[in-house]
Amino acid sequence: QSALTQPPSASGSPGQSVTISCTGASGDIGYYNFVSWYQQHPGKAPKLMIYEVTKRPSGVPDRFSGSKSGNTASLTVSGLQAEDEADYYCSSYAGSDNLVFGGGTKLTVL
Amino acid sequence: QVQLQESGPGLLKPSETLSLTCTVSGYSISSHYFWGWVRQPPGKGLEWIGIIYQSGTTYSNPSLKSRVALSIDTSKNQFSLKLNSVTAGDTAIYYCARTAVVGFNCFDPWGQGTLVTVSS
Repeated sequence: QSALTQPPSASGSPGQSVTISCTGASGDIGYYNFVSWYQQHPGKAPKLMIYEVTKRPSGVPDRFSGSKSGNTASLTVSGLQAEDEADYYCSSYAGSDNLVFGGGTKLTVL
Repeated sequence: QVQLQESGPGLLKPSETLSLTCTVSGYSISSHYFWGWVRQPPGKGLEWIGIIYQSGTTYSNPSLKSRVALSIDTSKNQFSLKLNSVTAGDTAIYYCARTAVVGFNCFDPWGQGTLVTVSS
């Protein structure tokens, strides 16, 4: 069982916005600003999309944004495009030199 | 451009020891980053295994800690994973990646991954 809870699926039409949630606890997401989001296309390695809650690595489109409120982090994809269809995973530092991942969300572009 | 490549046996029998090596090119592993391992059972989510620093400092997933050994060879620009007493539950794609020192939650880039199957 994953330490962080994500919805199994999410969907949206091209051009729309979709938000994926990631719920943790006061000892991980709620306490630390070390939340990351990864995108994974089938058969490929994960790709870092967001780190430290809101930061985007170089090369990641600004359509991807991250936020956090309490024990829940969120990834928002604006202006959905066909290539955004993928699995998305959140992760958080959980203290005591430990890291946890979410179970993943399959994003479908309708 | 930093590139990582996993290597090691793809098929193991139960109770054997999994041994994987990650070779880093285009960047020195003696730099100020952690180097780590993440695995993904077929069709399932990601699981953090552990990370190692150039000094040999390691941190591991508490659920795997008793079976995991991490090592680093700065002369070869490689780091390695050993997981002992494997079972079918350890069947997964194993990825190596670089991550930040603070909060070590910034895996980028990743290797392409290598599938390890545990079967009798």
